[in-house]
Amino acid sequence: EAQVTQNPRYLITVTGKKLTVTCSQNMNHEYMSWYRQDPGLGLRQIYYSMNVEVTDKGDVPEGYKVSRKEKRNFPLILESPSPNQTSLYFCASSSSAGQSHQPQHFGDGTRLSIL
Amino acid sequence: DAKTTQPPSMDCAEGRAANLPCNHSTISGNEYVYWYRQIHSQGPQYIIHGLKNNETNEMASLIITEDRKSSTLILPHATLRDTAVYYCIVRAGGTSYGKLTFGQGTILTVHP
Repeated sequence: EAQVTQNPRYLITVTGKKLTVTCSQNMNHEYMSWYRQDPGLGLRQIYYSMNVEVTDKGDVPEGYKVSRKEKRNFPLILESPSPNQTSLYFCASSSSAGQSHQPQHFGDGTRLSIL
Repeated sequence: DAKTTQPPSMDCAEGRAANLPCNHSTISGNEYVYWYRQIHSQGPQYIIHGLKNNETNEMASLIITEDRKSSTLILPHATLRDTAVYYCIVRAGGTSYGKLTFGQGTILTVHP
């Protein structure tokens, strides 16, 4: 089954303790992206990747890092999490064959609470 | 990317057509219009997209005005399960297509 898998689904942690949210897709998609969703603010893009070893900032990249060493994985790293990063996070992927327009497939979300 | 404007909420009776408007007056020639929906806090689900022609699939129809400054998503026979937040976004083509901006969407409530 084609899917985008995020782990963990839920995490409660403390300020300053490094954490990584993994994202994996099995559709051989070139494009992957991370979003955060906060009440009243909708979905905001954090980082995206057009292909392996190619990443770029979205609208709210501060406090986050990403890497794209393999096509299927796009982890989101919080080096020193702070309470304002408490949010619902979504990973998404899409094909970009010929830069034609393809819809994004979203994961089920990761709910992070930073105390 | 061009920004979009949507009404914050709409109601629709079950079985009737739901027509959700979106304004994207600053859209440029290579930008597509996409619609997604999100039910509760699940991951957004793709519905439909188009450039300038009207589009239809098994879920919905997309009507884009001739000047491309606005569009309407039509759910022809809304059901209770169509209650969700609907997002209209524009996505650039070429080398800029990676960056995406979602607005706050329209909360559609389908009632019996």
